[in-house]
Amino acid sequence: GQNIDQPTEMTATEGAIVQINCTYQTSGFNGLFWYQQHAGEAPTFLSYNVLDGLEEKGRFSSFLSRSKGYSYLLLKELQMKDSASYLCAVTDSNYQLIWGAGTKLIIKP
Amino acid sequence: IAGITQAPTSQILAAGRRMTLRCTQDMRHNAMYWYRQDLGLGLRLIHYSNTAGTTGKGEVPDGYSVSRANTDDFPLTLASAVPSQTSVYFCASSDSAGLAANEQFFGPGTRLTVL
Repeated sequence: GQNIDQPTEMTATEGAIVQINCTYQTSGFNGLFWYQQHAGEAPTFLSYNVLDGLEEKGRFSSFLSRSKGYSYLLLKELQMKDSASYLCAVTDSNYQLIWGAGTKLIIKP
Repeated sequence: IAGITQAPTSQILAAGRRMTLRCTQDMRHNAMYWYRQDLGLGLRLIHYSNTAGTTGKGEVPDGYSVSRANTDDFPLTLASAVPSQTSVYFCASSDSAGLAANEQFFGPGTRLTVL
């Protein structure tokens, strides 16, 4: 079966760094997405990785290891507005997105 | 209209009633999707459409139907609603299906409660 695992919830302090991990087992792999979803709102795109390595975009970075079926999202200089759920999704061999349940990130002052 | 709109924003529905959730996009995207999102579960694909005139079944299609008469609109119909269909429904679109790097753009969602 297809499976994506993320921690259910994480807590971090404003100004700090947090790493949200995602492991996946899917039928084929055509890329991995990270989305951000604030409570009561729609998911919005953060990053896309298809090759191994780190993609940096401002305060957010995303890493991929295809051989390990592993990715992480790194958030630096945390701000209160970063409190949200972070969704990991993998494009499978049929180009369908398989979604993880999301990680709720709580930022404390 | 800018992006994707959904209607209604929320709805309370009696079990057994028929309901259509509307979705319209103005980005001229070829592919459109319907997801449901339930607490503790990831987004689950109900139906999708790779281009106008074609539709396909996703992971959880039972009890739902869709149509894609034109590029912009992708309505989702619950023929006879049941309480297990209580959920938040998101419509999404992407430029093309079959291209891995295409991000999906989401509408604001419809919160549906079936009693």
